[in-house]
Amino acid sequence: AQSVAQPEDQVNVAEGNPLTVKCTYSVSGNPYLFWYVQYPNRGLQFLLKYITGDNLVKGSYGFEAEFNKSQTSFHLKKPSALVSDSALYFCAVRDYSGNTPLVFGKGTRLSVIA
Amino acid sequence: DAGITQSPRHKVTETGTPVTLRCHQTENHRYMYWYRQDPGHGLRLIHYSYGVKDTDKGEVSDGYSVSRSKTEDFLLTLESATSSQTSVYFCAISEQLGQAYGYTFGSGTRLTVV
Repeated sequence: AQSVAQPEDQVNVAEGNPLTVKCTYSVSGNPYLFWYVQYPNRGLQFLLKYITGDNLVKGSYGFEAEFNKSQTSFHLKKPSALVSDSALYFCAVRDYSGNTPLVFGKGTRLSVIA
Repeated sequence: DAGITQSPRHKVTETGTPVTLRCHQTENHRYMYWYRQDPGHGLRLIHYSYGVKDTDKGEVSDGYSVSRSKTEDFLLTLESATSSQTSVYFCAISEQLGQAYGYTFGSGTRLTVV
């Protein structure tokens, strides 16, 4: 069975500082990994995905994520946080060989403080 | 969100009444999904569809039914609403079920059962 864990319910960071939102996953084979962001009263928006290849994936709004197979992690990062990055972030996973819907984590609320 | 609309956006209903939520897409995507979002639980899959009249259950399908008579419409019905079904409901679409395809989400329906 596929699963994804986001160990932090809330992450606080000062504007201009680097940010990290953590995600670990469990699949039986190789994973497809996704990050989505949700702003207040909106649906989820796609940020980036890992399929294969380079372990560092770049996405929208200056975000990037690092795939680490040995640690089964896919942490979201940004070198310099903006107040406008404050939102709810979801990690999602699907097994590479499976034809199954995405499984989402519980979400991490990011607050960037000016 | 472009290409996918949910209606209504907000609804308050009484316990025991039937409720139908609608998801409409203009992308001609084969796959459609219904998720519910609850604090502490993230996004959980209710039902999904892989074609007209073809549907399957998700993680939290009890108390819900779905129908898809046209490619563009996916209906979620609560036959007899309960307070535990108070939630925000999101519809999503994708071109394929598996592989590297991500989802496009609607803006959500906030349902309150009193």
